[in-house]
Amino acid sequence: ETGVTQTPRHLVMGMTNKKSLKCEQHLGHNAMYWYKQSAKKPLELMFVYSLEERVENNSVPSRFSPECPNSSHLFLHLHTLQPEDSALYLCASSQDSVGGGYTFGSGTRLTVV
Amino acid sequence: DQQVKQNSPSLSVQEGRISILNCDYTNSMFDYFLWYKKYPAEGPTFLISISSIKDKNEDGRFTVFLNKSAKHLSLHIVPSQPGDSAVYFCAASPTSGTYKYIFGTGTRLKVLA
Repeated sequence: ETGVTQTPRHLVMGMTNKKSLKCEQHLGHNAMYWYKQSAKKPLELMFVYSLEERVENNSVPSRFSPECPNSSHLFLHLHTLQPEDSALYLCASSQDSVGGGYTFGSGTRLTVV
Repeated sequence: DQQVKQNSPSLSVQEGRISILNCDYTNSMFDYFLWYKKYPAEGPTFLISISSIKDKNEDGRFTVFLNKSAKHLSLHIVPSQPGDSAVYFCAASPTSGTYKYIFGTGTRLKVLA
């Protein structure tokens, strides 16, 4: 497989559930990101991992918990979410240097009921 | 307050004509700009970039223009094709750090056959 793969593609969860989103990149990149895309809002950066260390946490509530076990994998653990957390969650990777763009996955469409 | 603005949420253009998508930014520290294209149910894909040392960058049918004094960039697609129908995001970054990209809200382009 090539590129950035996200699973699952769709997820419906209750407010008391615990679930995880998974992202995998096969590009040899050394930085990975979680973004949130809500309707009519810009893409919002949530977390950045560079060389498996978290370098950015953009004031994200603690009900979102990222994990980066190695440079190819990134998880977003979800627990006690709110309906307003329903959104498209996008994972991206890059080679951590200025001048490059991101490679995005297809996203996980999350609905919190 | 949004630092990167795409004031037109949608745009319709006839096939074969020019599509012009606009983006304004407020932060004079932004030094590197990108355009991404997003089809439904897919992640954004990198389209074209420009750094502040240039005022134009061309790649096939796609040209990005940068007017630093006006803090404005635009993406021109000519000739437009039905396959160009997608949401286009502009993103801006200061010189240092790939993960500092700030995205606009996107413009939905519809190219009519």
